[in-house]
Amino acid sequence: VQLLQSGPGLVKPSQTLSLTCSISGDSVSSNAAAWNWIRQSPARGLEWLGRTYYRSQWYSDSAVSVKSRVTVNPGTSKNQFSLHLTSVTPEDTAVYYCARRLWDVDGFDIWGQGTMVTVSS
Amino acid sequence: SSELTQDPAVSVALGQTVRITCQGDTLRSSYASWYQQKPGQAPVLVIYGRNSRPSGIPDRFSGSDSGNTASLTITGAQAEDEADYFCNSRDMSGNLPAVFGTGTKVTVL
Repeated sequence: VQLLQSGPGLVKPSQTLSLTCSISGDSVSSNAAAWNWIRQSPARGLEWLGRTYYRSQWYSDSAVSVKSRVTVNPGTSKNQFSLHLTSVTPEDTAVYYCARRLWDVDGFDIWGQGTMVTVSS
Repeated sequence: SSELTQDPAVSVALGQTVRITCQGDTLRSSYASWYQQKPGQAPVLVIYGRNSRPSGIPDRFSGSDSGNTASLTITGAQAEDEADYFCNSRDMSGNLPAVFGTGTKVTVL
């Protein structure tokens, strides 16, 4: 299983940060996994942002700290999922990772390569 | 609270044993998972559940827990074990995998 991230490395303040994670070797609609976004910065450390998963229907959850700004969605026609973070500020500058979490493992067992996103004008 | 506290740094002599701890209230009801991260790389899962290792993780890595503290032990540390180590657990609701530890830098002497 591999996760391949794509998206811009530079976003202007107040705009929306959008990243995509493409899955190979597994399915975004698998009942066995949840698909997560996590970021890492020197100031905030590792921070879980949100997830999407399929259990007869699609669900999404997000962290309280970013709840009003973050959306995690499955891909509509491709085996992928996305992160959208609105109204970004320089504090959102971080390395962003996508990661799989299997329900029966209860750990993030597969990670994407990471995307350094800088919020700057 | 939903915080997980780790010692910032520990050192271990080559071949010796080191224990890394992670403390937090959420650990009273959820297991911790542990991650190794080397510079410029994504984290790698090394321990999950009570004491399980993903395929490919050496058996010198082990986990344990007691009360509000989870521990990762490296028995017979190798030079390649020098890295940052993070714990993770569910939040107080028990539903979201939302809490990461502050991280411990392990130096192998």
